[in-house]
Amino acid sequence: DVVMTQSPLSLPVTLGQPASISCRSSQSLVYSDGNTYLNWFQQRPGQSPRRLICKVSNRDSGVPDRFSGSGSGTDFTLKISRVEAEDVGVYYCMQGTHWPYTFGQGTKLEIQ
Amino acid sequence: QVQLQESGPGLVKPSETLSLTCTVSGGSIGSYYWSWIRQPPGKALEWIGYIHYSGTINYNPSLRSRVTISLDMSKNQFSLKLNSVTAADTAVYYCARVGSANDLDPWGQGTLVTVSS
Repeated sequence: DVVMTQSPLSLPVTLGQPASISCRSSQSLVYSDGNTYLNWFQQRPGQSPRRLICKVSNRDSGVPDRFSGSGSGTDFTLKISRVEAEDVGVYYCMQGTHWPYTFGQGTKLEIQ
Repeated sequence: QVQLQESGPGLVKPSETLSLTCTVSGGSIGSYYWSWIRQPPGKALEWIGYIHYSGTINYNPSLRSRVTISLDMSKNQFSLKLNSVTAADTAVYYCARVGSANDLDPWGQGTLVTVSS
């Protein structure tokens, strides 16, 4: 299985400051069709996960533009330009290129 | 908009079969892939498998020998059965729709299933 490694696992951030989460895969996530199926999810406390970004950098409608995704191959990043209180939760990357699709361990973002 | 709701027993005895149903509302179960994911306490999310109304089914190899996913178009539901459960199968189980990027949206609220005698 493709191993997805996130860092850091815990991310204390001051309100209004930027945050960055790294996600690395054990194999390239470029599919034979040329797409890279790397997705990001947010799980707020007590809620189900919610899709934020698909295919590396495509933000869902309704997701604030302070969230952005980037990367290629095996190295990906989720950035929040200015953290707000509602961003508290756990963030997961997930690869949808190689079956079985796999998730990272999650990064817990908290306000310090 | 499409909403998903898991239902089923919250407690299952070891060696028995875990059975869950996901009811889809606000849209037809046709034309999409549908999936089951689980999250053991303190561990990462794990894809269990997915199903399409055409009959395409794919299971995580780690669970393939014990899992069955099925779909009922008439009820707009899909189901999960996991047999010979152990404590290691204790988890929050989610159902979700699979998107075009093999992403997951939306998700159900999740249901905790505990395996214990």
